[in-house]
Amino acid sequence: DADVTQTPRNRITKTGKRIMLECSQTKGHDRMYWYRQDPGLGLRLIYYSFDVKDINKGEISDGYSVSRQAQAKFSLSLESAIPNQTALYFCATSDGQGWDEQFFGPGTRLTVL
Amino acid sequence: DQQVKQNSPSLSVQEGRISILNCDYTNSMFDYFLWYKKYPAEGPTFLISISSIKDKNEDGRFTVFLNKSAKHLSLHIVPSQPGDSAVYFCAASAPAGGYQKVTFGTGTKLQVIP
Repeated sequence: DADVTQTPRNRITKTGKRIMLECSQTKGHDRMYWYRQDPGLGLRLIYYSFDVKDINKGEISDGYSVSRQAQAKFSLSLESAIPNQTALYFCATSDGQGWDEQFFGPGTRLTVL
Repeated sequence: DQQVKQNSPSLSVQEGRISILNCDYTNSMFDYFLWYKKYPAEGPTFLISISSIKDKNEDGRFTVFLNKSAKHLSLHIVPSQPGDSAVYFCAASAPAGGYQKVTFGTGTKLQVIP
């Protein structure tokens, strides 16, 4: 079974709709992250959390919110989706040790029409 | 302000030959450098890392070289295999408020031709 899972894997929605992307992990890591990948822009950090009570904005948090429901669960919400939020979204976890290697989920492809 | 740059969006190499993927950075505070590999429909997976105090790290067919004076690192894959075809992300991290802040490059798509 995958250590980091994301649901849904694909989603098509309309402008103005609220959407939630969910992430679960079985690695026992305290640190969790949400990234988006756009062509030519690499991976950009949206939000990160070091424990249930700790939520931090990344470099592109505008238009997004997150919830850390438990150590194993970290959700990303788009309150009112817009077309330029069309992207591939990745959740990741890490244990904070050494170079802090991150373990990624398989991604969610989101299309906002 | 792209602190980690991968100037080659794609690279094609014949099977058995060497693949060299390049990465440049601007922040002298980076203390770890990592390479991740990404296959289609999967998330990135960690491949190899190097500390800023070293200039080379080797793991099987994969070697990463770091040139701090030039702010440049490269990933060498020898010999290249068709299964190495993937997108490779260079990443660099620096201490920031108690954690290692990671910055990713834009990726290089490697195609290994059988």
